[in-house]
Amino acid sequence: DTAVSQTPKYLVTQMGNDKSIKCEQNLGHDTMYWYKQDSKKFLKIMFSYNNKELIINETVPNRFSPKSPDKAHLNLHINSLELGDSAVYFCASSQAESYNSPLHFGNGTRLTVT
Amino acid sequence: KNEVEQSPQNLTAQEGEFITINCSYSVGISALHWLQQHPGGGIVSLFMLSSGKKKHGRLIATINIQEKHSSLHITASHPRDSAVYICAVTRGNTPLVFGKGTRLSVIA
Repeated sequence: DTAVSQTPKYLVTQMGNDKSIKCEQNLGHDTMYWYKQDSKKFLKIMFSYNNKELIINETVPNRFSPKSPDKAHLNLHINSLELGDSAVYFCASSQAESYNSPLHFGNGTRLTVT
Repeated sequence: KNEVEQSPQNLTAQEGEFITINCSYSVGISALHWLQQHPGGGIVSLFMLSSGKKKHGRLIATINIQEKHSSLHITASHPRDSAVYICAVTRGNTPLVFGKGTRLSVIA
Protein backbone atom coordinates (compact mmCIF):
# COMPACT_ATOMS: atom_id res chain seq x y z
CA ASP A 1 0.00 0.00 0.00
CA THR A 2 2.80 2.36 -1.01
CA ALA A 3 1.97 6.06 -0.87
CA VAL A 4 4.55 7.27 -3.40
CA SER A 5 5.95 4.64 -5.72
CA GLN A 6 8.55 5.08 -8.40
CA THR A 7 9.95 2.66 -10.92
CA PRO A 8 12.42 1.36 -11.69
CA LYS A 9 14.45 1.16 -8.49
CA TYR A 10 17.67 0.73 -10.44
CA LEU A 11 18.45 1.87 -13.96
CA VAL A 12 21.74 1.21 -15.72
CA THR A 13 22.13 2.59 -19.21
CA GLN A 14 24.67 3.91 -21.67
CA MET A 15 25.49 7.47 -22.57
CA GLY A 16 23.27 8.90 -25.25
CA ASN A 17 20.23 6.78 -24.43
CA ASP A 18 16.81 8.12 -23.52
CA LYS A 19 15.13 6.80 -20.37
CA SER A 20 12.07 7.44 -18.24
CA ILE A 21 11.35 7.11 -14.54
CA LYS A 22 7.76 6.77 -13.45
CA CYS A 23 6.15 8.07 -10.27
CA GLU A 24 2.69 7.58 -8.86
CA GLN A 25 1.11 8.75 -5.61
CA ASN A 26 -2.12 7.47 -4.09
CA LEU A 27 -2.38 10.13 -1.38
CA GLY A 28 -4.63 12.47 -3.30
CA HIS A 29 -1.97 15.17 -3.15
CA ASP A 30 -2.05 18.08 -5.53
CA THR A 31 1.68 18.69 -5.75
CA MET A 32 4.48 16.42 -6.90
CA TYR A 33 8.22 16.90 -7.15
CA TRP A 34 11.39 15.46 -8.59
CA TYR A 35 14.58 15.73 -6.57
CA LYS A 36 18.11 14.72 -7.50
CA GLN A 37 20.58 13.38 -4.94
CA ASP A 38 24.17 13.49 -6.10
CA SER A 39 27.09 11.32 -5.08
CA LYS A 40 27.72 13.53 -2.06
CA LYS A 41 24.14 12.83 -0.91
CA PHE A 42 23.09 16.43 -1.53
CA LEU A 43 19.41 16.81 -2.44
CA LYS A 44 18.25 19.42 -4.93
CA ILE A 45 14.86 20.23 -6.36
CA MET A 46 14.48 19.65 -10.08
CA PHE A 47 10.78 20.25 -10.69
CA SER A 48 7.58 20.84 -8.82
CA TYR A 49 4.17 20.38 -10.36
CA ASN A 50 0.65 20.87 -9.15
CA ASN A 51 -2.49 20.27 -11.09
CA LYS A 52 -2.29 23.75 -12.46
CA GLU A 53 1.31 24.50 -13.16
CA LEU A 54 4.70 23.00 -13.84
CA ILE A 55 7.53 24.90 -12.18
CA ILE A 56 10.85 24.22 -13.79
CA ASN A 57 14.14 24.74 -12.05
CA GLU A 58 16.12 26.63 -14.63
CA THR A 59 19.38 25.01 -13.58
CA VAL A 60 18.10 21.65 -14.83
CA PRO A 61 19.19 20.87 -18.41
CA ASN A 62 16.36 20.79 -20.91
CA ARG A 63 17.24 17.14 -21.60
CA PHE A 64 15.11 16.50 -18.51
CA SER A 65 11.39 16.80 -19.08
CA PRO A 66 8.67 16.02 -16.55
CA LYS A 67 5.37 14.73 -17.83
CA SER A 68 2.18 14.57 -15.80
CA PRO A 69 -0.74 12.70 -17.39
CA ASP A 70 -2.84 13.37 -14.28
CA LYS A 71 -2.29 14.70 -10.79
CA ALA A 72 -1.40 11.25 -9.41
CA HIS A 73 1.49 10.76 -11.81
CA LEU A 74 4.65 12.71 -12.54
CA ASN A 75 7.11 10.93 -14.81
CA LEU A 76 10.63 12.07 -15.61
CA HIS A 77 12.00 11.63 -19.10
CA ILE A 78 15.69 12.11 -19.77
CA ASN A 79 17.12 12.48 -23.28
CA SER A 80 20.70 11.92 -24.37
CA LEU A 81 21.90 10.69 -21.01
CA GLU A 82 25.32 11.87 -19.82
CA LEU A 83 27.72 10.45 -17.25
CA GLY A 84 26.95 13.35 -14.93
CA ASP A 85 23.29 12.35 -14.79
CA SER A 86 24.24 9.39 -12.60
CA ALA A 87 22.49 10.00 -9.29
CA VAL A 88 19.54 8.92 -7.22
CA TYR A 89 16.27 10.54 -8.30
CA PHE A 90 13.47 10.90 -5.78
CA CYS A 91 9.85 11.60 -6.48
CA ALA A 92 7.81 13.23 -3.71
CA SER A 93 4.37 14.67 -3.13
CA SER A 94 2.68 17.06 -0.72
CA GLN A 95 -0.85 18.17 0.01
CA ALA A 96 -0.41 21.87 -0.45
CA GLU A 97 1.12 23.88 -3.24
CA SER A 98 3.53 25.66 -0.92
CA TYR A 99 6.51 23.99 0.64
CA ASN A 100 4.94 24.46 4.07
CA SER A 101 3.53 20.97 4.14
CA PRO A 102 5.11 17.58 4.83
CA LEU A 103 6.68 15.73 1.96
CA HIS A 104 6.15 12.07 1.15
CA PHE A 105 9.02 10.53 -0.78
CA GLY A 106 9.29 7.56 -3.07
CA ASN A 107 12.11 5.08 -2.49
CA GLY A 108 14.32 6.55 -5.16
CA THR A 109 15.65 5.43 -8.53
CA ARG A 110 19.39 4.90 -8.75
CA LEU A 111 20.46 5.86 -12.26
CA THR A 112 23.88 4.80 -13.47
CA VAL A 113 25.07 6.04 -16.83
CA THR A 114 28.07 4.18 -18.28
CA LYS B 1 28.62 28.77 2.12
CA ASN B 2 25.42 26.72 2.04
CA GLU B 3 22.25 28.43 3.24
CA VAL B 4 21.68 25.48 5.56
CA GLU B 5 24.48 24.17 7.74
CA GLN B 6 24.22 21.00 9.82
CA SER B 7 26.45 19.77 12.59
CA PRO B 8 27.96 17.42 13.24
CA GLN B 9 28.57 15.92 9.82
CA ASN B 10 29.07 12.48 11.34
CA LEU B 11 28.06 11.19 14.73
CA THR B 12 28.65 7.86 16.44
CA ALA B 13 26.82 7.08 19.65
CA GLN B 14 26.34 4.19 22.01
CA GLU B 15 22.90 2.70 22.33
CA GLY B 16 20.87 4.57 24.91
CA GLU B 17 22.66 7.90 24.52
CA PHE B 18 20.84 11.20 24.07
CA ILE B 19 21.63 12.63 20.64
CA THR B 20 21.45 16.18 19.32
CA ILE B 21 21.79 17.22 15.70
CA ASN B 22 21.93 20.91 14.87
CA CYS B 23 20.77 22.94 11.90
CA SER B 24 21.49 26.61 11.26
CA TYR B 25 20.20 28.63 8.37
CA SER B 26 20.98 32.07 7.04
CA VAL B 27 17.67 33.35 5.62
CA GLY B 28 14.21 34.03 6.96
CA ILE B 29 12.04 30.96 6.59
CA SER B 30 8.42 29.91 6.88
CA ALA B 31 9.08 26.26 7.68
CA LEU B 32 11.86 23.85 8.50
CA HIS B 33 11.78 20.15 7.72
CA TRP B 34 13.67 17.30 9.31
CA LEU B 35 14.05 14.22 7.13
CA GLN B 36 15.51 10.79 7.78
CA GLN B 37 17.25 8.79 5.07
CA HIS B 38 17.66 5.14 5.89
CA PRO B 39 20.73 3.12 4.87
CA GLY B 40 18.56 1.54 2.17
CA GLY B 41 18.03 4.97 0.66
CA GLY B 42 14.40 5.77 1.44
CA ILE B 43 13.57 9.24 2.80
CA VAL B 44 10.99 9.82 5.50
CA SER B 45 9.67 13.17 6.67
CA LEU B 46 10.05 13.38 10.45
CA PHE B 47 8.91 16.89 11.27
CA MET B 48 7.85 20.12 9.72
CA LEU B 49 7.87 23.07 12.08
CA SER B 50 7.77 26.83 12.01
CA SER B 51 7.96 27.58 15.72
CA GLY B 52 8.43 25.97 19.10
CA LYS B 53 8.78 22.28 19.53
CA LYS B 54 7.35 19.02 18.25
CA LYS B 55 7.64 15.51 19.65
CA HIS B 56 7.03 12.13 18.11
CA GLY B 57 8.00 9.11 20.14
CA ARG B 58 11.68 9.41 21.03
CA LEU B 59 12.25 12.25 18.59
CA ILE B 60 12.00 15.92 19.51
CA ALA B 61 12.50 18.86 17.17
CA THR B 62 12.89 22.44 18.29
CA ILE B 63 13.29 25.67 16.41
CA ASN B 64 14.37 29.16 17.42
CA ILE B 65 13.31 31.54 14.69
CA GLN B 66 15.21 34.52 16.10
CA GLU B 67 18.46 32.58 16.26
CA LYS B 68 17.80 30.80 12.93
CA HIS B 69 18.54 27.46 14.54
CA SER B 70 16.85 24.11 14.94
CA SER B 71 17.79 20.96 16.80
CA LEU B 72 16.72 17.37 16.43
CA HIS B 73 17.02 15.28 19.59
CA ILE B 74 16.81 11.52 19.90
CA THR B 75 16.29 10.09 23.38
CA ALA B 76 17.32 6.54 24.32
CA SER B 77 18.99 6.03 20.95
CA HIS B 78 18.85 2.63 19.30
CA PRO B 79 20.78 1.05 16.42
CA ARG B 80 17.68 1.33 14.23
CA ASP B 81 18.04 5.14 14.52
CA SER B 82 21.18 4.86 12.39
CA ALA B 83 20.50 6.96 9.32
CA VAL B 84 21.30 10.28 7.67
CA TYR B 85 19.27 13.15 9.12
CA ILE B 86 18.64 16.04 6.78
CA CYS B 87 17.45 19.54 7.58
CA ALA B 88 15.68 21.61 4.91
CA VAL B 89 14.17 25.10 4.91
CA THR B 90 11.69 27.02 2.82
CA ARG B 91 10.20 30.49 2.64
CA GLY B 92 6.90 28.90 1.64
CA ASN B 93 6.83 29.72 -2.03
CA THR B 94 10.43 28.72 -2.64
CA PRO B 95 11.76 25.19 -3.05
CA LEU B 96 13.32 23.46 -0.09
CA VAL B 97 17.00 24.15 0.46
CA PHE B 98 18.68 21.15 2.01
CA GLY B 99 21.57 20.74 4.41
CA LYS B 100 24.21 18.16 3.64
CA GLY B 101 22.94 15.80 6.27
CA THR B 102 24.27 14.29 9.49
CA ARG B 103 25.23 10.63 9.36
CA LEU B 104 24.33 8.97 12.65
CA SER B 105 25.56 5.54 13.68
CA VAL B 106 24.24 4.06 16.90
CA ILE B 107 26.25 1.13 18.18
CA ALA B 108 24.76 -1.59 20.35
